[in-house]
Amino acid sequence: DTAVSQTPKYLVTQMGNDKSIKCEQNLGHDTMYWYKQDSKKFLKIMFSYNNKELIINETVPNRFSPKSPDKAHLNLHINSLELGDSAVYFCASRAPQTGELFFGEGSRLTVL
Amino acid sequence: GNSVTQMEGPVTLSEEAFLTINCTYTATGYPSLFWYVQYPGEGLQLLLKATKADDKGSNKGFEATYRKETTSFHLEKGSVQVSDSAVYFCALWPGNTGKLIFGQGTTLQVKP
Repeated sequence: DTAVSQTPKYLVTQMGNDKSIKCEQNLGHDTMYWYKQDSKKFLKIMFSYNNKELIINETVPNRFSPKSPDKAHLNLHINSLELGDSAVYFCASRAPQTGELFFGEGSRLTVL
Repeated sequence: GNSVTQMEGPVTLSEEAFLTINCTYTATGYPSLFWYVQYPGEGLQLLLKATKADDKGSNKGFEATYRKETTSFHLEKGSVQVSDSAVYFCALWPGNTGKLIFGQGTTLQVKP
């Protein structure tokens, strides 16, 4: 039973299109994140939600819009995709007492 | 501010060699420290952690000791295997702020 699951695992699309990635966690955690990993494996935090409220927004372009319908779900919608958006996007949830993050398997986005 | 610095990779070793990946941090207060591992094509998973000074985290033959005097959390393994080939991330959680801070990652390649 996967703790943090994200779909789809792969997206290939053209510049200018819009795409969404969904994430769900069954750990009962209040806090969830989106990270972007570039080709050099560098991890950059994008957003964090705590119990459906946005708490971290790290200077991400407005084309990226997270949505948290409930504390178990955090989705990411990207408008007007650009070549530089090509990356692997990871969803994670955080254990409240220890700070440990539990990651999904990643969604590899390729913009052509 | 809080930050994590890891040694540059890639690190290439022969099987059964000794591994050290250096990690130093800057933080106010008393952060928790983590090592995460990312195997090819997968998400990050927790390898080990330490929550206070002088704690030693260990898992799968890997160890790291939380050294407050040198602000370090170096990862070591006595005898690496080909299956240890992965990207290793050192991370710091200051507590409460909700933001886990990652180092830039170190790629380890173990050759038979």
